Amino acid sequence: DTEVTQTPKHLVMGMTNKKSLKCEQHMGHRAMYWYKQKAKKPPELMFVYSYEKLSINESVPSRFSPECPNSSLLNLHLHALQPEDSALYLCASSQDRGQMNEQYFGPGTRLTVT
Amino acid sequence: KQEVTQIPAALSVPEGENLVLNCSFTDSAIYNLQWFRQDPGKGLTSLLLIQSSQREQTSGRLNASLDKSSGRSTLYIAASQPGDSATYLCAVRFFGTGKLIFGQGTTLQVKP
Repeated sequence: DTEVTQTPKHLVMGMTNKKSLKCEQHMGHRAMYWYKQKAKKPPELMFVYSYEKLSINESVPSRFSPECPNSSLLNLHLHALQPEDSALYLCASSQDRGQMNEQYFGPGTRLTVT
Repeated sequence: KQEVTQIPAALSVPEGENLVLNCSFTDSAIYNLQWFRQDPGKGLTSLLLIQSSQREQTSGRLNASLDKSSGRSTLYIAASQPGDSATYLCAVRFFGTGKLIFGQGTTLQVKP
């Protein structure tokens, strides 16, 4: 099974709301990633977790707060977002952060900030 | 600067044609290169992963090649079908940062 699942599929939130995105994998992978993808652009890395610890933060604004409660689950907590944060948020996982490893992506959460 | 470029940005071909998608990268010091497919509004599906020590990988009608010295990779699709219509993204993991750097993608339309 090479599946990464993400919920919800779609999310509409106001600028004062607090919401969370969820990502799950059961492949035994120990590295998990959050990417942001704007329309007609390639994905951009936001965060990397390795063995449940945050190892890379690509200077993402603090209104995005990642969390990795266990090795299978990755959350992205959202608070006080701006309309320009509307995008497709993709989660990925790999066996670990080893440089040879293949990344597997989930279907994404389409976020609209009103 | 480590960059990945895909040309053309869009391609339209009749069904049944064999086609080649191109990917170029600025630095030959890479760990691997991965080709993905993305349908509109969907996530990325990994098609092929080529390690830096490999020259090509094949999966069904797809064949990807890698020439590190010239900084190029190609994705060959044989006997294209309308279901192959999607955006194809090339991503390179360079030495140093180890991050996956994506090209802008080639949007393919296969006409019946």
